[in-house]
Amino acid sequence: KQEVTQIPAALSVPEGENLVLNCSFTDSAIYNLQWFRQDPGKGLTSLLLIQSSQREQTSGRLNASLDKSSGRSTLYIAASQPGDSATYLCAVKTGNQFYFGTGTSLTVIP
Amino acid sequence: ETGVTQTPRHLVMGMTNKKSLKCEQHLGHNAMYWYKQSAKKPLELMFVYNFKEQTENNSVPSRFSPECPNSSHLFLHLHTLQPEDSALYLCASSLFALAGGNEQFFGPGTRLTVL
Repeated sequence: KQEVTQIPAALSVPEGENLVLNCSFTDSAIYNLQWFRQDPGKGLTSLLLIQSSQREQTSGRLNASLDKSSGRSTLYIAASQPGDSATYLCAVKTGNQFYFGTGTSLTVIP
Repeated sequence: ETGVTQTPRHLVMGMTNKKSLKCEQHLGHNAMYWYKQSAKKPLELMFVYNFKEQTENNSVPSRFSPECPNSSHLFLHLHTLQPEDSALYLCASSLFALAGGNEQFFGPGTRLTVL
């Protein structure tokens, strides 16, 4: 069974800092990997989707990379802002199943 | 209204009650999903519907009964729930549920509390 791990579980950084969130998965036979953010008590907002054939995707200050063979993805956030404070989740699609990590809780301190 | 909507946003029910959660998507998608999110646990996929047909049921107890009358609407009927069923229930949609790269879009969720 696919297992998705996100490290660290929590991260606190000062405003303006660049940061990297990590996601690893045990089964490299994935169709895609998706990064989400979740604000407290709310649903998930899609940030980036990387297809299995792609190496990275960029949207504004966000850049996500995928190394399928090693079972890893990173989400790079440039020039962090207090509004970036949220929980960041990664999910992989394997077969017809979606597997999520438990997330990284990010706090950006003004 | 756009995106994925869910009603109600909050629900408190007793163990003997019957209630239903509703999800509607306005994205023209053909696949819809129910997830359960419990504290400190990863999201758990419960059901998948593709073109109104259920394609996945991840060993969900029968006290949860999904219904998908069309590609835009998804319901989760609840009866005889247990306190451990208290969680955030999230609905999502994507263009298709077939193997391949389809981005999922989530609703805001229903916070369910079972007393």
